[in-house]
Amino acid sequence: DGGITQSPKYLFRKEGQNVTLSCEQNLNHDAMYWYRQDPGQGLRLIYYSQIVNDFQKGDIAEGYSVSREKKESFPLTVTSAQKNPTAFYLCASSILTREHEAFFGQGTRLTVV
Amino acid sequence: DAKTTQPPSMDCAEGRAANLPCNHSTISGNEYVYWYRQIHSQGPQYIIHGLKNNETNEMASLIITEDRKSSTLILPHATLRDTAVYYCIVRAEGAQKLVFGQGTRLTINP
Repeated sequence: DGGITQSPKYLFRKEGQNVTLSCEQNLNHDAMYWYRQDPGQGLRLIYYSQIVNDFQKGDIAEGYSVSREKKESFPLTVTSAQKNPTAFYLCASSILTREHEAFFGQGTRLTVV
Repeated sequence: DAKTTQPPSMDCAEGRAANLPCNHSTISGNEYVYWYRQIHSQGPQYIIHGLKNNETNEMASLIITEDRKSSTLILPHATLRDTAVYYCIVRAEGAQKLVFGQGTRLTINP
């Protein structure tokens, strides 16, 4: 079945460690996005990519890095420079001409201890 | 993108229509109104969008006022599975990002 998959669902890391969150889609979507959500808050855009080997910073890119080596994959690395990394991370993808109909993954809940 | 204002929470009885309001008084002429919902601990789900005409699909209806400064999402026969946070977003077509506010937490009561 087509869809967008994030893994793992829950992730625990020690403070100061980098961690990479996986996002894979088999929908043949050109655009992919990473959002962060804190408890009781809306989503905030971290990074987005419209094409392979290209990506743009969102509103809260500091402390994060991404890569887009393949159309299907858009991994997010949470670096030790991110001051408050504990959050719910959501990946999404869309057709370029239908960005509003973004498909979201089930999310990864990252806890840094 | 224009900002939106939504009530933080609403309750509705199962089987009744749920009407969720959204104010977007600074909306521009080329900005659409989009609605998403997020069930607890899941990713958001697209519901519907519109520019100025009312829209209906299998999930909901969207009523946009004539001056486009506000809109209402209508779930005609709410079920317990409609309990979620509903986000109203205004955005120009082709803009790359969706800006999510805090939304309305809708609780459907049995």
